[in-house]
Amino acid sequence: SQTIHQWPATLVQPVGSPLSLECTVEGTSNPNLYWYRQAAGRGLQLLFYSVGIGQISSEVPQNLSASRPQDRQFILSSKKLLLSDSGFYLCAWSPGTAYEQYFGPGTRLTVT
Amino acid sequence: RKEVEQDPGPFNVPEGATVAFNCTYSNSASQSFFWYRQDCRKEPKLLMSVYSSGNEDGRFTAQLNRASQYISLLIRDSKLSDSATYLCVVKNTGGFKTIFGAGTRLFVKA
Repeated sequence: SQTIHQWPATLVQPVGSPLSLECTVEGTSNPNLYWYRQAAGRGLQLLFYSVGIGQISSEVPQNLSASRPQDRQFILSSKKLLLSDSGFYLCAWSPGTAYEQYFGPGTRLTVT
Repeated sequence: RKEVEQDPGPFNVPEGATVAFNCTYSNSASQSFFWYRQDCRKEPKLLMSVYSSGNEDGRFTAQLNRASQYISLLIRDSKLSDSATYLCVVKNTGGFKTIFGAGTRLFVKA
């Protein structure tokens, strides 16, 4: 069966510091991968999606970036965090474009 | 107008009650539809996909009305464990864009 991992579970970072969040998927090949952010009490906002190694599409311009160095690895990064980057970051995978998505446990980021 | 709209609730119902959630979407070319549930401070989990013919999974029934562009979720015989936020999700044709509704909060009380 497929499993999706995210780490760390929680993170507290000062403004201006860098960020790296990692997501890996097991038990499937060539998944579509997604990064979402959920602000407190709000809905999910799609940040990035990827259909293959090195292929990244951005939905919302911001100071975040994403990379997919391996088929089942998706990384979310920032060079300098802003207060507004605080939120619940969720990685998800799907077997194809029209299919359902499955989420990892998320990383709760607080920028202080 | 938001692309996906849900009644935010909260819905407060007693155990055993039947509760229905509706969700409207604005893009008539939308391709796929889903309901997710999200517990407090947890990741969303797929509850069920929504098919044109309607589908049922135990106490849960989902329906799609393409003409009126809405999706519904019916929960029968509510349990305390059904308390959660229910998210309506729409995927548009030809793209990867997935739009999540803001969610409807449900509280089931003993």
